[in-house]
Amino acid sequence: AQKITQTQPGMFVQEKEAVTLDCTYDTSDQSYGLFWYKQPSSGEMIFLIYQGSYDEQNATEGRYSLNFQKARKSANLVISASQLGDSAMYFCAMPNSGGSNYKLTFGKGTLLTVNP
Amino acid sequence: DGGITQSPKYLFRKEGQNVTLSCEQNLNHDAMYWYRQDPGQGLRLIYYSQIVNDFQKGDIAEGYSVSREKKESFPLTVTSAQKNPTAFYLCASKLTGPTARYEKLFFGSGTQLSVL
Repeated sequence: AQKITQTQPGMFVQEKEAVTLDCTYDTSDQSYGLFWYKQPSSGEMIFLIYQGSYDEQNATEGRYSLNFQKARKSANLVISASQLGDSAMYFCAMPNSGGSNYKLTFGKGTLLTVNP
Repeated sequence: DGGITQSPKYLFRKEGQNVTLSCEQNLNHDAMYWYRQDPGQGLRLIYYSQIVNDFQKGDIAEGYSVSREKKESFPLTVTSAQKNPTAFYLCASKLTGPTARYEKLFFGSGTQLSVL
């Protein structure tokens, strides 16, 4: 079974600085993908970025980028030029393998606080 | 706009009472999911359904029940057998098919359930 580990319960960053949120994973699959979601205090889960293990270039979506290092089994989220609105919980997730391809396993999340 | 609607936003349960959380989507997705989130924790899968009239237990199905009579609807009942129901409940959906494993989840805005 897949395992997702987010080792940073909380992170602080100054506005306009960059921040990296860590995510490590464990899978026996040759082909897999990693998702990142943002959960503001309102509770909804917002999709941020996705990258497949077969992608050669790191994924980028606006100020979000994935630092994917397969040899280290890490898929860290980098947020550039942090904004106050980036304060939220951030979750890393991976699809299950085998016959249960439709399920996502989530990490426990990192609470990011952006200071003015 | 297409999306997922969860209701109510807040729900209170009395001792021994069953309560039902509503989830409706107009995204034409075949797969739907219910996740439970406890404070400071990640999401845990309760039930999921890949097609109408079929559903499977997730990791923490005890004390919960679901139905999938229509493609658009996937209600969750929290029964009196669930002794610790206080949590935030999120409904989600996604596309199925050959690329299902790499499709993102779309989430509703959640229901906060509390015990009186």
